[in-house]
Order: sequence, then C-alpha cells, then structure tokens
Amino acid sequence: DQQVKQNSPSLSVQEGRISILNCDYTNSMFDYFLWYKKYPAEGPTFLISISSIKDKNEDGRFTVFLNKSAKHLSLHIVPSQPGDSAVYFCAASDSGKNFGNEKLTFGTGTRLTIIP
Amino acid sequence: EAGVVQSPRYKIIEKKQPVAFWCNPISGHNTLYWYLQNLGQGPELLIRYENEEAVDDSQLPKDRFSAERLKGVDSTLKIQPAELGDSAVYLCASSLDSGFNEQFFGPGTRLTVL
Repeated sequence: DQQVKQNSPSLSVQEGRISILNCDYTNSMFDYFLWYKKYPAEGPTFLISISSIKDKNEDGRFTVFLNKSAKHLSLHIVPSQPGDSAVYFCAASDSGKNFGNEKLTFGTGTRLTIIP
Repeated sequence: EAGVVQSPRYKIIEKKQPVAFWCNPISGHNTLYWYLQNLGQGPELLIRYENEEAVDDSQLPKDRFSAERLKGVDSTLKIQPAELGDSAVYLCASSLDSGFNEQFFGPGTRLTVL
C-alpha cells in the first residue's frame, strides 16, 4: 500500500520555465511533508518542507503548496535551471501526538530533466 | 562540517555470504536511521536509533538483518546470509534530535548479490 504517491516518474522542462512536481498521499495522519532532491550516486538532500498548519512555504526558487482536503502537495521550481536536474522525492511524516515519531514515508520519486 | 559517512560505497557478494555496512553520522546528531532503497523506489526505513537505543525496528527483517549502535555514535548494519533480493542501496541518515524532521543522508552503499 503506497501511502505517498508520485505518479509522474519523469518530467522534462525547458530552462527558465516553471517545473511542477506533484505528490499525493492517502494517510490523513500525515502532518509534515518534505521534498528531497537526489543526484546520481549521492544520498537525498533536504530541499524544503511544510507543516500541515500551512498551505504554502517558499524558499527562494522553491515553493511547496499543500492542499489537505485533496491530500495533495506540489513543488514549484521557478525559474528552472540545469542544476535542478535530479530525482525529487516527496516524503511525509506523522508526528502526531508522539512528538519525535518522525518516520518518513517516501514516494517513488520523479526524475526532473531541465532542457537547456 | 562533515556529512554522513558510509562505507563501503559498493559491495558485490555471492548469495548466502554475510555483509556489513558502516555509518558515521554527523557529529552531535543523536538520531540515526538505516533505509533500504530498491531500484525505482523511495527509501524505506529499516531501523531508527535514538542514541544507542533502537526505537523503531519494526521494518527490519530480523531473521537475517541486524544492526547495532553500541556507543550511540557510529552504526553497523549486517545481513547474514544475503539473498538475491537484498540487492539495493542501503542509506544511512542522521538528524539532530528526535523532534527535528530534517534528516541528512549519506551517499549510500550499493549492494549487489550474485
């Protein structure tokens, strides 16, 4: 049972345009969401996160939007740059009442390719 | 600041052989995680340590997998005996404390079982 889903395995975007990566989740107990970026032969690196009490979080070129009613979040990258080419993982956590229970459930990833 | 260190980076073994992976977390990080990443999938948690205590090992296949973090710093993950299906990348991550969700990942160990 995949609780975090990234339905697009790959995405190609022209340099300078907006990249939108999508993620859906099924577990309504998830209350913290993260995006990780992964280059080949490296471990994932944290990119941006959002708590369920917010619907938007912005950090430079990266913005994450959360729609709790739809159980959907998206990562927007604008403008897209060649260095953004990587695999992006969406992850979710259920901290809930057990503060510190930060097991992350990851999606399967979306490979983003920025075309120069 | 040094990141999470893992060794070896690559390992090729024959099935039924034992194998061990080592992880040194970021200095001062009390929480350590071992993840398994199969090809085309996201990382899946195997075990989480708070200092030297394994607080979540529910996903660790205990018949063949074991882990330890004796002094609450570095950690070893062992598989004995390895099976063909164990071929994957084994990732180690650490975080500052149990309430902080940002986990820093090492580069992983790619295991191939022949």
